[in-house]
Amino acid sequence: AQSVAQPEDQVNVAEGNPLTVKCTYSVSGNPYLFWYVQYPNRGLQFLLKYITGDNLVKGSYGFEAEFNKSQTSFHLKKPSALVSDSALYFCAVTTTRGNTPLVFGKGTRLSVIA
Amino acid sequence: GAGVSQSPRYKVTKRGQDVALRCDPISGHVSLYWYRQALGQGPEFLTYFNYEAQQDKSGLPNDRFSAERPEGSISTLTIQRTEQRDSAMYRCASSRDLSYEQYFGPGTRLTVT
Repeated sequence: AQSVAQPEDQVNVAEGNPLTVKCTYSVSGNPYLFWYVQYPNRGLQFLLKYITGDNLVKGSYGFEAEFNKSQTSFHLKKPSALVSDSALYFCAVTTTRGNTPLVFGKGTRLSVIA
Repeated sequence: GAGVSQSPRYKVTKRGQDVALRCDPISGHVSLYWYRQALGQGPEFLTYFNYEAQQDKSGLPNDRFSAERPEGSISTLTIQRTEQRDSAMYRCASSRDLSYEQYFGPGTRLTVT
């Protein structure tokens, strides 16, 4: 069965500092990996995905994520955090077979402090 | 273009009543998904469709929950004889097909009193 772990419930970072939100996964087969962001009282917004190819993927709002197959990780990163990045971040995984549902992590709340 | 829309946005119902939640996906999106999200948690898969065919309903909690997408576009999630434990945010998402990213609607907040 697929699973996603986001080990940190909360990440605090000062504005202008780099941020990392961690995600590890478990699947049978090759993974499709996604990051979504949820702002207060809003729906989930797609940030970026890894399907195949370059292990470093770039997404919206300056975010990027690095796929590490040996560590089964897909950590979300941003070189310089903004206060407006404060939100709930979800990592999700499915498999390349394409017939399995998306499994989400529990989410990590990012708080960027001015 | 228009995103995924859901209606109603908020629904308060009494225990034992039936409710129907509607999802209107992005035009042309083949795949449609239903999730339930508890406060402070990630979305939990309920069911999904490719065109009008329900491909997987393993996430539906019990037989009071059902979903349909008769013409391969709009979908309805129905909960019969609602119970308080059904209270949650119900989210719909659509994608071009199974291998593409999903786009989520704003959700329907269901409260069963």
